[in-house]
Amino acid sequence: QSVLTQPPSASEAPGQRVTISCSGSSSNIGNNFVSWYQHVPGAAPKLLIYRNDQWASGVSDRFSGSKSGTSASLAIRGLRPEDEADYYCATWDDGLYVFGTGTKVTVL
Amino acid sequence: QLQLQESGPGLVQPSETLSLTCSVSGGSVIYSRHLWGWIRQAPGKGLEWIASLHSTGATYYNPSLKSRVTLSVDTSENRFSLKVRSATAADTAVYYCARAVISDLSTITSGGIIDHFFDQWGQGTLVPVSS
Repeated sequence: QSVLTQPPSASEAPGQRVTISCSGSSSNIGNNFVSWYQHVPGAAPKLLIYRNDQWASGVSDRFSGSKSGTSASLAIRGLRPEDEADYYCATWDDGLYVFGTGTKVTVL
Repeated sequence: QLQLQESGPGLVQPSETLSLTCSVSGGSVIYSRHLWGWIRQAPGKGLEWIASLHSTGATYYNPSLKSRVTLSVDTSENRFSLKVRSATAADTAVYYCARAVISDLSTITSGGIIDHFFDQWGQGTLVPVSS
């Protein structure tokens, strides 16, 4: 089990906003930058956010990241059907690169 | 545009060595601010980092796999490789190779703030471990 905890699922109607939390500790999120990845099953994972809140190249500003203390969040506004995917936070923890437990986002 | 392509056997027998290669095109593996890594996803599970290496030969391993894993880089062929010894059914997964950007390599071991993210990924290859 990962040291970064995410809710297993989140769902909202098209056009709405969904927020995914990533809870860690001082040894990981509290002391390092967080990145966020979108993973559509069968495709390569895609970097969305790096350095807590920076957009990766070509990523829509509908996605936004934030970090406070030992937690981080990814928000998706104006939800679209193509946003349906698994989302992972990630960071380093004492020499180990860790991904969060993952959140499956469903667009209702 | 950087591209990464995993290649390897379609099936691995239990107790044998799982070997994969990642060929890099559109960029060089020799760059001080890049790490080259392997990540896997077992069926029904999340992403798991296996290991990463730098073109200087510096390597970083997931402690849970370190005793069975070896990474190497071939700068002349612009590719890097993964070997997982004594494979079991638990190693059945889709394996991804990826490039990471890191601002300061020393922070991984020094305790400083690590600025690192995987910005380019291969498509992944499914490796079943089964007899």
